[in-house]
Amino acid sequence: KAGVTQTPRYLIKTRGQQVTLSCSPISGHRSVSWYQQTPGQGLQFLFEYFSETQRNKGNFPGRFSGRQFSNSRSEMNVSTLELGDSALYLCASSSGLMDASTDTQYFGPGTRLTVL
Amino acid sequence: GDSVTQMEGPVTLSEEAFLTINCTYTATGYPSLFWYVQYPGEGLQLLLKATKADDKGSNKGFEATYRKETTSFHLEKGSVQVSDSAVYFCALFPRNSGNTPLVFGKGTRLSVIA
Repeated sequence: KAGVTQTPRYLIKTRGQQVTLSCSPISGHRSVSWYQQTPGQGLQFLFEYFSETQRNKGNFPGRFSGRQFSNSRSEMNVSTLELGDSALYLCASSSGLMDASTDTQYFGPGTRLTVL
Repeated sequence: GDSVTQMEGPVTLSEEAFLTINCTYTATGYPSLFWYVQYPGEGLQLLLKATKADDKGSNKGFEATYRKETTSFHLEKGSVQVSDSAVYFCALFPRNSGNTPLVFGKGTRLSVIA
């Protein structure tokens, strides 16, 4: 089975621009979660999508948004970029069935975003 | 709320040394527990997991046992290699999660020197 893929792997943007990141989950998985990883804050949960609906959301401003398509692929958008948005953005896929005994999140390689 | 506490790094060991990375958790009920590893420049890889008390997860020579009494899930390896140099994250998935995501510790950086 192919793993979680994320594109692009690297991005350089300037302040004020917007950016869209893409994540393709493992085949059969219906849940995609997004995380931001920075040296200072560690791993922070952004949001989770399941069957095209946002099911959970972390504590990030409205500039961060996402969506999920019928094939479970997900995109994350950040508008009006700030320097502090520079980070590794990770997505994770799982069955999303919320069964703690079986559900496991598998991560992609991440998109490294640099805001200048 | 639920939380995970890991020993602070960095941890520096010589090749073939014994490794322990401590992880304790606070959670309602009995969560599933995970160790993820992040190699330089990469995403997180699932290393091992345990879903109930006294379960032992193991993979690539690493082991961790789910200890309900001490709310711990310490990672161990008998003989580390240079290739084990990475950042290790302990995480929990709440059993009565509703829509709660994974809860991560801050990560422990391991450096193994030849």
